[in-house]
Amino acid sequence: EAQVTQNPRYLITVTGKKLTVTCSQNMNHEYMSWYRQDPGLGLRQIYYSMNVEVTDKGDVPEGYKVSRKEKRNFPLILESPSPNQTSLYFCASGRGDTDTQYFGPGTRLTVL
Amino acid sequence: AQSVAQPEDQVNVAEGNPLTVKCTYSVSGNPYLFWYVQYPNRGLQFLLKYITGDNLVKGSYGFEAEFNKSQTSFHLKKPSALVSDSALYFCAVRSLMDTGRRALTFGSGTRLQVQP
Repeated sequence: EAQVTQNPRYLITVTGKKLTVTCSQNMNHEYMSWYRQDPGLGLRQIYYSMNVEVTDKGDVPEGYKVSRKEKRNFPLILESPSPNQTSLYFCASGRGDTDTQYFGPGTRLTVL
Repeated sequence: AQSVAQPEDQVNVAEGNPLTVKCTYSVSGNPYLFWYVQYPNRGLQFLLKYITGDNLVKGSYGFEAEFNKSQTSFHLKKPSALVSDSALYFCAVRSLMDTGRRALTFGSGTRLQVQP
C-alpha cells in the first residue's frame, strides 16, 4: 500500500531532551516536507527536501533540523525541544512539480 | 506572499442537503489549489485539486469544487451531505511558479457538521 508513515504517533517529552520524529514513504517520491499544525493557524511548512541531500527551510524552521540521506526517509530532529514546539506534525511527500502531496498520519508532540 | 481564507469556522448542514465550504485565496501567478479532509486522529486525506482546465473539479467521495478566477475562490461542494462527511476541511494553495519549495499554504480549516 502506498503510504507515508510517521513514528511515533504520540510523544510527551521534557524541555531540552533531544528527539527525532521519523518519516518514511514507499512511493519513490523525490519531494518531502514537514509541516506543523496549530489551532487557528492551519499548517505551516518547517523544512522541505527536493531530493537526497537537498534540504531547505520553510516558513518556521527555527528549532528544527532535518536530514535526507535516503530517498524514502526524512527525519525531523528537535535538538532541544521547548514548550512552543508542542504541536501536531505532518510529513508529506510528492513526485513531480504538479504532483499531489500525500500526508502521513501525524505525530502529536507535547513538550513539558 | 500567498494566503488562504476559510471564512467559516464551522458549517452545519442536515443530511441529504447540499453543502458548501468556502475558500478564497491570494497568490502570485496562477494557482494550484487543493482540498484536504481531516478526520479525528487521522492525517490529511487528499480530496481534489485544480491546476488548469475545467473550472469544475470532481474529487473523492462525491465532492467537487469550483474555481472562480475573478473572485479568487475555490469553494468545495457536495450535492447531498452524509453524516460521515463530518470532519475538518482544509483549503490549500501554492503558486505554479513555485517549482522549488512547493510549500502549500493552508487555510485555518472549516469544521463540517452533518446532522442526521
